Amino acid sequence: KAGVTQTPRYLIKTRGQQVTLSCSPISGHRSVSWYQQTPGQGLQFLFEYFSETQRNKGNFPGRFSGRQFSNSRSEMNVSTLELGDSALYLCASSFDVTQYFGPGTRLLVL
Amino acid sequence: GENVEQHPSTLSVQEGDSAVIKCTYSDSASNYFPWYKQELGKGPQLIIDIRSNVGEKKDQRIAVTLNKTAKHFSLHITETQPEDSAVYFCAASKSGNTPLVFGKGTRLSVIA
Repeated sequence: KAGVTQTPRYLIKTRGQQVTLSCSPISGHRSVSWYQQTPGQGLQFLFEYFSETQRNKGNFPGRFSGRQFSNSRSEMNVSTLELGDSALYLCASSFDVTQYFGPGTRLLVL
Repeated sequence: GENVEQHPSTLSVQEGDSAVIKCTYSDSASNYFPWYKQELGKGPQLIIDIRSNVGEKKDQRIAVTLNKTAKHFSLHITETQPEDSAVYFCAASKSGNTPLVFGKGTRLSVIA
């Protein structure tokens, strides 16, 4: 099976802009979770979608949002970007409790 | 909520030696404990996991032990090789549909 794919792999944006990241899960996986990884805070949970519904949400401001489509593909959006949003954004898919990560999207906010 | 502490933050070992990374968790309801390896420029890769009904699990040179009473679990890598050099993360969750909570990571360097 193909693994989790994320696009784009790299992004450069400026403060105030918005960005949309995409994640395609492993075939058959209906749960998609998003994490933010920074050197200072490590891996922090953003949200999880299952069957097009947000099932869990982490402690991030409302500028961070997501959605899931009927084919389980997921997108996350960050509006009004801040310098502190620079990070590696990771998507993970799962069939049960085991999560498999994609390569991530590295976002740089200037 | 759950809190996962991971030690050490950096670890250097000679090739062929063993490496041990330890994690503690706070929520006694947690029952699923995976370990991930992250190489430079890549996403975390699951290397082994354990559930709370098991005390130890092995997969070739890698083993994980779990002490539910003390709420800690450890990763053991034997006969380390240079390709084991990476950042290792432990995590915990209550299984089902609860999110993983990660430790801060351990940077392992295997010196040839």
